[in-house]
Amino acid sequence: DIHMTQSPSSLSASVGDRVTITCQASPDIMNYLNWYQHQPGKAPKLLIYDASNLKEGVPPRFSGSGSGTLFTFTIIGLQPEDIATYYCQQYYNLPYTFGQGTKLEIK
Amino acid sequence: ELQLVESGGGLVQPGGSLRLSCAASGFTLSTYSMNWLRQAPGKGLEWISYISKTSGTIYYADSVKDRFTISRDNAENSLYLQMNSLRVEDTAVYYCATMGVTGFDDWGQGIMVAVSS
Repeated sequence: DIHMTQSPSSLSASVGDRVTITCQASPDIMNYLNWYQHQPGKAPKLLIYDASNLKEGVPPRFSGSGSGTLFTFTIIGLQPEDIATYYCQQYYNLPYTFGQGTKLEIK
Repeated sequence: ELQLVESGGGLVQPGGSLRLSCAASGFTLSTYSMNWLRQAPGKGLEWISYISKTSGTIYYADSVKDRFTISRDNAENSLYLQMNSLRVEDTAVYYCATMGVTGFDDWGQGIMVAVSS
């Protein structure tokens, strides 16, 4: 199975901050990488697909980059409604696997 | 508006069975491949099963293979997950989700399954 390692596991930041989450894949997954937002009590939401493409309707403060084994997810200008756990997920191979998640809190 | 609603969860003893349903509305289920995923308490998301649009291709995670069965009824716009030989470690919130070109596009709100004696 492809192993996804996400860091940090938790993060506290202030409104307006830039937030960065890293996801490492083993082995190489090219750009077959998605990012999801999961808020408590809500359905998970796909934000970024193919490592760097913003899903329609997702605010442009969210972005993704990377390829191969190292990927980055960034929020520029953190908003209170961004409180959630964020997950990376690979679809290069079955079984589809997720990182362990990054819980984002507002200071 | 596309909506997915899971049902059929609850408390079951180890070794027992449950059948989850996922009702689709606002779209035609047959236009999507579908998945089941879950999140155990305090844990991350786990993909567990995939079914193609016409049920011709099915995949399972090793953790549920030979115990769970995914199926769909496109005429009823519904997806199912038959769960047998349930274990304590199957305790989780279960989600159904559409399979887009690259990812899990739309998800239900989830349904809780608790396996305990």
